[in-house]
Amino acid sequence: GEDVEQSLFLSVREGDSSVINCTYTDSSSTYLYWYKQEPGAGLQLLTYIFSNMDMKQDQRLTVLLNKKDKHLSLRIADTQTGDSAIYFCAEPADMRFGAGTRLTVKP
Amino acid sequence: EAQVTQNPRYLITVTGKKLTVTCSQNMNHEYMSWYRQDPGLGLRQIYYSMNVEVTDKGDVPEGYKVSRKEKRNFPLILESPSPNQTSLYFCASSLTPPGQGYYEQYFGPGTRLTVT
Repeated sequence: GEDVEQSLFLSVREGDSSVINCTYTDSSSTYLYWYKQEPGAGLQLLTYIFSNMDMKQDQRLTVLLNKKDKHLSLRIADTQTGDSAIYFCAEPADMRFGAGTRLTVKP
Repeated sequence: EAQVTQNPRYLITVTGKKLTVTCSQNMNHEYMSWYRQDPGLGLRQIYYSMNVEVTDKGDVPEGYKVSRKEKRNFPLILESPSPNQTSLYFCASSLTPPGQGYYEQYFGPGTRLTVT
């Protein structure tokens, strides 16, 4: 079964905030990652969070980590049409990726 | 420019006809891996390599082979492709293996394979 779970689709309006959620099972990873896949391209590392942090902010991106519930989220503020992509969370200890959340941003 | 290249980008083939997808990285990375991406299943690791001549199975290795004779190259071989291997394949590399502190995997652009 899948060890990293994400919802498959999210649709928001331009300018709204997007929140992409992820749950994982293996808590041994030192870091947790978010990757972005644009249409027709490979994955690119978007951001990461160290496992002893609760929150990390990077410009429009905020990553929240709840270790007790093994829940990771990515918030994109002021979502733009260029943010439309598939977002993957990944915990690297066992090289597990979520199924990916397809974010659609409507103008 | 630091990059991972894959060839071909698109391939349509028939059942049973052997094929090789090449992967090359120019970053002197030790760790390389192959993934397949299927709708609703995300990325699943096929094989990985910790260094030259060191390869190991990932989650879905059946029907695939790999080799790592040089540090920069990590080809994926399908000896007898079947329709269930129709997928989008990604090669990736990183300086260190996953789980060893912070690391970043660099992904190739993908190879879309169709087996009829």
